[in-house]
Amino acid sequence: EVQLVESGGGLVQPGGSLRLSCAASGFTFSSYSMNWVRQAPGKGLEWVSYISSSSSTIYYADSVKGRFTISRDNAKNSLYLQMNSLRDEDTAVYYCARIYDSSGYFDYWGQGTLVTVSS
Amino acid sequence: QSALTQPRSVSGSPGQSVTISCTGTSSDVGGYNYVSWYQQHPGKAPKLMIYDVSKRPSGVPDRFSGSKSGNTASLTISGLQAEDEADYYCCSYAGSYTSVVFGGGTKLTVL
Repeated sequence: EVQLVESGGGLVQPGGSLRLSCAASGFTFSSYSMNWVRQAPGKGLEWVSYISSSSSTIYYADSVKGRFTISRDNAKNSLYLQMNSLRDEDTAVYYCARIYDSSGYFDYWGQGTLVTVSS
Repeated sequence: QSALTQPRSVSGSPGQSVTISCTGTSSDVGGYNYVSWYQQHPGKAPKLMIYDVSKRPSGVPDRFSGSKSGNTASLTISGLQAEDEADYYCCSYAGSYTSVVFGGGTKLTVL
């Protein structure tokens, strides 16, 4: 059974940093591209970042470019999101999601971790 | 990249059918057959219901179907059941991950 479990969320002040983790199991993690998708309270889904299976290709949404860094450790079956210079508008539930590269759909999602940016 | 346009809410009675639309442009929905749909119950993670416009993942009931015409994709749920009450999001992939865009979401109420 595919499982994605996020952790690392919490309350942080504006300008602060946070590192999210996503532990994957039930599939060959090193064979799949992964993403972070977020959802602000009461709002819709927003794609945040993509990383290919070998980490050779990385993309970011314009809203986080230069502040967030996605990475992965295939030996540990883990995905990460380093978030710096956090802003109020980064407050959201952050989901890690596996993506099917050819068609760009997200076939498995974690349960999410809440990041709250507030003073 | 602008969000895809979905109705904010739709409703239907048990057993009826409802259709949720998702309107984009020729640069996203209309240009590629890479539309997917996600169901999200309150406090839960999204769940893939339809991919590649009209394909259903294993385990998704055949009451759920997808289609596309021009720049508008649609999700139809037939034989509505109480457990179908949820938020539904469409998503378009335009060949590049920087062009992944979601719709604003539609709240389905089963009366």
